[in-house]
Amino acid sequence: DTEVTQTPKHLVMGMTNKKSLKCEQHMGHRAMYWYKQKAKKPPELMFVYSYEKLSINESVPSRFSPECPNSSLLNLHLHALQPEDSALYLCASSQDFGRRANEQFFGPGTRLTVL
Amino acid sequence: GQQLNQSPQSMFIQEGEDVSMNCTSSSIFNTWLWYKQDPGEGPVLLIALYKAGELTSNGRLTAQFGITRKDSFLNISASIPSDVGIYFCAGLATSGTYKYIFGTGTRLKVLA
Repeated sequence: DTEVTQTPKHLVMGMTNKKSLKCEQHMGHRAMYWYKQKAKKPPELMFVYSYEKLSINESVPSRFSPECPNSSLLNLHLHALQPEDSALYLCASSQDFGRRANEQFFGPGTRLTVL
Repeated sequence: GQQLNQSPQSMFIQEGEDVSMNCTSSSIFNTWLWYKQDPGEGPVLLIALYKAGELTSNGRLTAQFGITRKDSFLNISASIPSDVGIYFCAGLATSGTYKYIFGTGTRLKVLA
């Protein structure tokens, strides 16, 4: 099973709302990622968790707050977003992170619209 | 952020034709991944390459890890309408933070 699941599929929120995106994988992977993707552009890395610890934060604004409750789950908490944050948010996982990181599997994404 | 040069940027082809695209970089990579993405969906992994010179197939798709380790190629044979989408390469750098660097994408459109 190479499935990464994400909920919700679509999300519309106002700039004062607080919402969360959820990601889950049951492949035993120890690295999980959040990417942001704008239309017709490649995915942009936001955060990397390795063994449930935050390894990389790509200078993401604090209105995005990641959380890794356990090795199978990854959340992205959203607060006070701006319209320009509207994008497809992708979760991914891989066996490990670092020099021997291998295949990275993506979820279907959450289409976020900020009004 | 850093990106790989991917070409062509887009292409129209007739159904049944073969397709070639490539990714190039000035840096050396340890791993190359090729993905296909349909509109509104997440990228789907097609092929992974781990050794310079490696040639790997997945059905009608064949990808190669360039000998110089600075490039990779993807070929699609006998294209069909469902091959439509955006193809991304991703390279894993040999040093630094070990993040995957993504190509700019090749948008493929197949004319029936």
